[in-house]
Amino acid sequence: DAMVIQNPRYQVTQFGKPVTLSCSQTLNHNVMYWYQQKSSQAPKLLFHYYDKDFNNEADTPDNFQSRRPNTSFCFLDIRSPGLGDAAMYLCATSSEAGGEQYFGPGTRLTVT
Amino acid sequence: GEDVEQSLFLSVREGDSSVINCTYTDSSSTYLYWYKQEPGAGLQLLTYIFSNMDMKQDQRLTVLLNKKDKHLSLRIADTQTGDSAIYFCAAPQGGKLIFGQGTELSVKP
Repeated sequence: DAMVIQNPRYQVTQFGKPVTLSCSQTLNHNVMYWYQQKSSQAPKLLFHYYDKDFNNEADTPDNFQSRRPNTSFCFLDIRSPGLGDAAMYLCATSSEAGGEQYFGPGTRLTVT
Repeated sequence: GEDVEQSLFLSVREGDSSVINCTYTDSSSTYLYWYKQEPGAGLQLLTYIFSNMDMKQDQRLTVLLNKKDKHLSLRIADTQTGDSAIYFCAAPQGGKLIFGQGTELSVKP
């Protein structure tokens, strides 16, 4: 089945220790998104790639970076995690910008 | 820009119908979406409606769209305990999706 995969499902990191979350897709979609979701809130878009074209949201902290080495994979790097970065991180894909998005299961990040 | 609003909570009894409401501001939206999120999981695309339709039915789900009032609703017939989740409506804007705050549906046996 075509799908969006996120690894790991649960990640624990220490305050200030860099961490990388990964996302892969078998849908061959052009667009990939990273969202941050805190408890009882809507997902908050951090950035998205349209193919190799990177689009950063204006309010995404510099602490968050992303890489998309090929169509299938996208990574979220948090350079110096703070306690406030503890959240669920969701990856999504779509075949076109603004189209329906397909989400992965998410990675729950804990910062100690 | 697009703004999407939902009520936060809905509680129903098993077997009843649930109606989750959503309002949006951008009348140029082509599609409008409903997503379901179960605890600890990602968002699952439930259904969508094209803006030139006023109703779409898919098994137990009925989506109603009132373009004049910019109002979207999701009706779940014969609600089951497995329908307990958070439901998000979403509208496209500028190549992205704008999500409502989510409606937490609680189904009591």
